[in-house]
Amino acid sequence: GAVVSQHPSWVICKSGTSVKIECRSLDFQATTMFWYRQFPKQSLMLMATSNEGSKATYEQGVEKDKFLINHASLTLSTLTVTSAHPEDSSFYICSATPTQEGYGYTFGSGTRLTVV
Amino acid sequence: AQSVTQPDIHITVSEGASLELRCNYSYGATPYLFWYVQSPGQGLQLLLKYFSGDTLVQGIKGFEAEFKRSQSSFNLRKPSVHWSDAAEYFCAVGARANAGKSTFGDGTTLTVKP
Repeated sequence: GAVVSQHPSWVICKSGTSVKIECRSLDFQATTMFWYRQFPKQSLMLMATSNEGSKATYEQGVEKDKFLINHASLTLSTLTVTSAHPEDSSFYICSATPTQEGYGYTFGSGTRLTVV
Repeated sequence: AQSVTQPDIHITVSEGASLELRCNYSYGATPYLFWYVQSPGQGLQLLLKYFSGDTLVQGIKGFEAEFKRSQSSFNLRKPSVHWSDAAEYFCAVGARANAGKSTFGDGTTLTVKP
């Protein structure tokens, strides 16, 4: 079945530094991947749509200069949180799907970011 | 705009009892509907999905859901709950043309009593 790998699982960084999170589709190609953010005990909020070979599409209210998305290949999308601050601490999850409808939508295992 | 409502924030059931988690959606066209489960600190696992066809869909781990267009509902059911089913459950809706861009409900936390 379709597998999406996300790395790292958790990361702690200092305020002002940048952190990169990787999302890989292991056994399929994904022209589109999605990045979500989840606060504790809350639902998932779509941040942006990552498009292979082109610019990401950001949801309203999401700072594109803070959350840089790069989808350089058909199997890899990266989310870089720039100049991180404690309020950026959250659980970040990516998702992707093969083009065939039968697979549904596969999520990565998530990355817990803590900014200190 | 599409939206999903999960009316129950928290449900507690006894092990072996039946379970129904409610989900109501608002969407202007034919929706893609999903149920996901999330264990603490983990990503989401797809339980089942509805795209078209038979309105009663079977999923993994013994779960099923029924799509009722007239009620705009997609409730999740399981006849006999196991302690390992304790988790957070999310209902989601996506557009047929771009179903990966899903809108999620706020989730229902399931607690299973021994």
